[in-house]
Amino acid sequence: NAGVTQTPKFRVLKTGQSMTLLCAQDMNHEYMYWYRQDPGMGLRLIHYSVGEGTTAKGEVPDGYNVSRLKKQNFLLGLESAAPSQTSVYFCASTLNHNEQFFGPGTRLTVL
Amino acid sequence: DQQVKQNSPSLSVQEGRISILNCDYTNSMFDYFLWYKKYPAEGPTFLISISSIKDKNEDGRFTVFLNKSAKHLSLHIVPSQPGDSAVYFCAASAGGTYKYIFGTGTRLKVLA
Repeated sequence: NAGVTQTPKFRVLKTGQSMTLLCAQDMNHEYMYWYRQDPGMGLRLIHYSVGEGTTAKGEVPDGYNVSRLKKQNFLLGLESAAPSQTSVYFCASTLNHNEQFFGPGTRLTVL
Repeated sequence: DQQVKQNSPSLSVQEGRISILNCDYTNSMFDYFLWYKKYPAEGPTFLISISSIKDKNEDGRFTVFLNKSAKHLSLHIVPSQPGDSAVYFCAASAGGTYKYIFGTGTRLKVLA
């Protein structure tokens, strides 16, 4: 039981490049989330999903897109990366309205 | 507008003493509150939670208190241990929204 895994762990992009972050969970959780963590800002919700095929915007959705084609996977896309998107990205999942299980994070640097 | 606030960025406590971490919120629709602990280079891990129908919840050395009228919650750690040194986040959710709003975190350092 791997829990929540994130791929890749580290990435460096140039401004304007695109990339996709993958989150996978093997706990059969309905709800999945993408957060970003910045110094002094805590964890801010980017997008979330309440089930396969559904997505919704969080607090800071601009510049990101997401897809939940399979229940176990939640993808976060950056179409044209900007330096302001330099951050640590965390994925999380939960079965119900309760504790979330977080992945180990992806550290992204945009030059 | 920061709906969940942790006004103390850092806190230092001697080993064996009590650590008290505070969290304030502004949205009266929040009805479920959680505390997470985060070590460097790791994802946050769940610590303890409380529903708005309660004013206290205990789990071992950890107790969370909720004061709904003041829109304030606190996490008490007794006794504090060096392994408790981490960043602590409080989070809040409003029923039916499936969204969690996090505070900015408090870095706790427990001195041996």
